[in-house]
Amino acid sequence: EPEVTQTPSHQVTQMGQEVILRCVPISNHLYFYWYRQILGQKVEFLVSFYNNEISEKSEIFDDQFSVERPDGSNFTLKIRSTKLEDSAMYFCASSPTSGRTRTPFGPGTRLTVL
Amino acid sequence: GQQVMQIPQYQHVQEGEDFTTYCNSSTTLSNIQWYKQRPGGHPVFLIQLVKSGEVKKQKRLTFQFGEAKKNSSLHITATQTTDVGTYFCGRSSNTGKLIFGQGTTLQVKP
Repeated sequence: EPEVTQTPSHQVTQMGQEVILRCVPISNHLYFYWYRQILGQKVEFLVSFYNNEISEKSEIFDDQFSVERPDGSNFTLKIRSTKLEDSAMYFCASSPTSGRTRTPFGPGTRLTVL
Repeated sequence: GQQVMQIPQYQHVQEGEDFTTYCNSSTTLSNIQWYKQRPGGHPVFLIQLVKSGEVKKQKRLTFQFGEAKKNSSLHITATQTTDVGTYFCGRSSNTGKLIFGQGTTLQVKP
């Protein structure tokens, strides 16, 4: 069964540095998402992306965050100047349609900001 | 208005006992989805409910959607150690955004 993949599995960075988290969504999916999960807390929506543009974003997704689909397969999340509170698991997800459908999640990238 | 509340936050059971987690919303939900996250893992889709009063079963798991579509439950019969993890309910918007509850973490003592 096709899966969402993410790299790296763990990223350690210094506060103020830029990081790029990478995702390869399932190939025939059209809708892509990033979620964040701070340790021990619930999974929080960050942003959804469709047709090469952001379709919705949460309050968490401020100007420090950006997303891009640089080619036909990758979907990236960039954090320009990381803060300590950005330390979390970041999950990528994709779906074939919007709305009420199952949404496979990738294995996640654990971001640690020192 | 968009929040879904989930209880309990934690549940410890002896292997073989039953387990139930509840999801509640103050507003009517168009759908409810359930995900399981194993320790150190990622959320894995279990099921989606869309109809009022809907009941679906997956082996020892029973999912219910309330008549008013404001609450849902997941019941596990005769828990096993493989059931350990955090169970999240969530609602999906028209854009595909998932709003999750806080999750119920299940521990099963062998």
